[in-house]
Amino acid sequence: GNSVTQMEGPVTLSEEAFLTINCTYTATGYPSLFWYVQYPGEGLQLLLKATKADDKGSNKGFEATYRKETTSFHLEKGSVQVSDSAVYFCALINANTGNQFYFGTGTSLTVIP
Amino acid sequence: GAGVSQSPSNKVTEKGKDVELRCDPISGHTALYWYRQSLGQGLEFLIYFQGNSAPDKSGLPSDRFSAERTGGSVSTLTIQRTQQEDSAVYLCASSLASHPTNGYTFGSGTRLTVV
Repeated sequence: GNSVTQMEGPVTLSEEAFLTINCTYTATGYPSLFWYVQYPGEGLQLLLKATKADDKGSNKGFEATYRKETTSFHLEKGSVQVSDSAVYFCALINANTGNQFYFGTGTSLTVIP
Repeated sequence: GAGVSQSPSNKVTEKGKDVELRCDPISGHTALYWYRQSLGQGLEFLIYFQGNSAPDKSGLPSDRFSAERTGGSVSTLTIQRTQQEDSAVYLCASSLASHPTNGYTFGSGTRLTVV
């Protein structure tokens, strides 16, 4: 079946620190991979996506590379800001098996000045 | 509308009462999804609509849960005889296609508290 596993939080970093949030997946075929972000009091927003192996998604300084050999889609940012404090969700959709997204449990990030 | 709108934003109800949660998707989005977000858990898929029909209801947790969509637009999620374990944030999302590789657009959710 399809599933997503992401690193447990919460994660607390100082401003300008390097961020990595690990995400691995299980799926048959070739899923599309996503990172969503949920800022306090808001709904989920699409942060970035990659639809095939070796694709790199990027947005707002965040990057993630679709690695089929390691079934991973780790989220990285070189220098976090206080405004990046949010919950981050890794997700996949697999057109071979249906139309629903499968989400990880979310990783809470707090960036302190 | 400009985004996915959900109402109410917060709902406190007594155990055993019925509740209705509303979702107004982005105009023109044919696909609509309901998810549930419980504390410490990921997002749990509930149901998917394509137009007014629901080809995938596999995530509805019990027969107390039902949903409908009318006019290919507004959807209502109904929970009958609410239980405390139903307390969660209920999220609605919509997309243009039934295989949304461009991602969903989510509403801000309805926080349901059953006391």
